[in-house]
Amino acid sequence: DTEVTQTPKHLVMGMTNKKSLKCEQHMGHRAMYWYKQKAKKPPELMFVYSYEKLSINESVPSRFSPECPNSSLLNLHLHALQPEDSALYLCASSQGILRRSSNTGELFFGEGSRLTVL
Amino acid sequence: KQEVTQIPAALSVPEGENLVLNCSFTDSAIYNLQWFRQDPGKGLTSLLLIQSSQREQTSGRLNASLDKSSGRSTLYIAASQPGDSATYLCAVRGGNYGGSQGNLIFGKGTKLSVKP
Repeated sequence: DTEVTQTPKHLVMGMTNKKSLKCEQHMGHRAMYWYKQKAKKPPELMFVYSYEKLSINESVPSRFSPECPNSSLLNLHLHALQPEDSALYLCASSQGILRRSSNTGELFFGEGSRLTVL
Repeated sequence: KQEVTQIPAALSVPEGENLVLNCSFTDSAIYNLQWFRQDPGKGLTSLLLIQSSQREQTSGRLNASLDKSSGRSTLYIAASQPGDSATYLCAVRGGNYGGSQGNLIFGKGTKLSVKP
């Protein structure tokens, strides 16, 4: 099973709403990622969790709040978003520490959550 | 700072043609290089992964090569089909960037259209 599952597939929210995006994997991966992708652009890294701890925050505004409740789940909590935050949000996972010889470092992506902020 | 460039930005070919997509990167200190396919509005599907110690990988009609010293990778697609139409993204991962996990740096992609 090389599947990363994201829900919901589509989300429309107002600027005052609070919503969450969810991501799940059962590959035993210990690194999970959130990426943001605008139309016709490559994905941009937002957050990395390594062994359930936040290891990278790419200067993302605080209206995006990640959470990793366990090794299989990754959430992205959304609050007071702006219309320019509308994008495809991609979750990915990979094995843990890169320097282990058994770790290929391959990333597996989900299908994404299409977010529209009105 | 690592930069990844993909050429061409768009490519249109007739069905059955063999084609090559190019990817170049500025820093050869990479952990691996990964080629992805993305259909409109969809997620990324991993096509091939080449470790820094490898020269090429093959999967079906796809062959990816890596030349670290020159900072280049190519994705060769044999006997193209209309179903191959998608955007192809190249991404490199360094072991020294962005903490212990190393950030994946993407190119802007090549949009491929295969005409029946």
